[in-house]
Amino acid sequence: KQEVTQIPAALSVPEGENLVLNCSFTDSAIYNLQWFRQDPGKGLTSLLLIQSSQREQTSGRLNASLDKSSGRSTLYIAASQPGDSATYLCAVLPSNQGGKLIFGQGTELSVKP
Amino acid sequence: GAVVSQHPSRVICKSGTSVKIECRSLDFQATTMFWYRQFPKKSLMLMATSNEGSKATYEQGVEKDKFLINHASLTLSTLTVTSAHPEDSSFYICSARPRDGYQETQYFGPGTRLLVL
Repeated sequence: KQEVTQIPAALSVPEGENLVLNCSFTDSAIYNLQWFRQDPGKGLTSLLLIQSSQREQTSGRLNASLDKSSGRSTLYIAASQPGDSATYLCAVLPSNQGGKLIFGQGTELSVKP
Repeated sequence: GAVVSQHPSRVICKSGTSVKIECRSLDFQATTMFWYRQFPKKSLMLMATSNEGSKATYEQGVEKDKFLINHASLTLSTLTVTSAHPEDSSFYICSARPRDGYQETQYFGPGTRLLVL
């Protein structure tokens, strides 16, 4: 059974700092891995999607990597800003599971001005 | 494009009543919609997969008679929480997979906050 774990559960950093969020999954048979942002009481915003054949994806200050063989992904946020404060969720799409996403518990990020 | 809406965004009801939550794909047809539940500071847990024109597939531990799902058209799925109790209070989020899209593509709704008193 696929399990997704995110570390740390919460993170507080000063503005301007570079940071890394971690995601690990137990079964490497995945189609892709996706990082989402969730603001309090809101839905999900897709940030980056990495196909199983890819190693990384970049969007602005965000860079996500994928090492499928070791079951790990990282989300790197450069020059963090207070507006980056949110919960970041990692989700994998297992192969042959009918499109069911498996989510991690999320990392709650707080960027202090 | 690819917008998914949920209605209502927030609902408060008395214990014992039933609540219906709608999930609509506004600019595409969705053969499959997914319903998730999220407790405070917790991850999203898949409740069920809703397929247009057929019965929903429920995840283990989810009571199908408690959480009724109807996917009557290619743009609408509804989740009805029957005889709601305070422990059903949660954030419910749906996602929709386009009819002509790849299996990997899902678009998420903004969520519905349910509070049962």
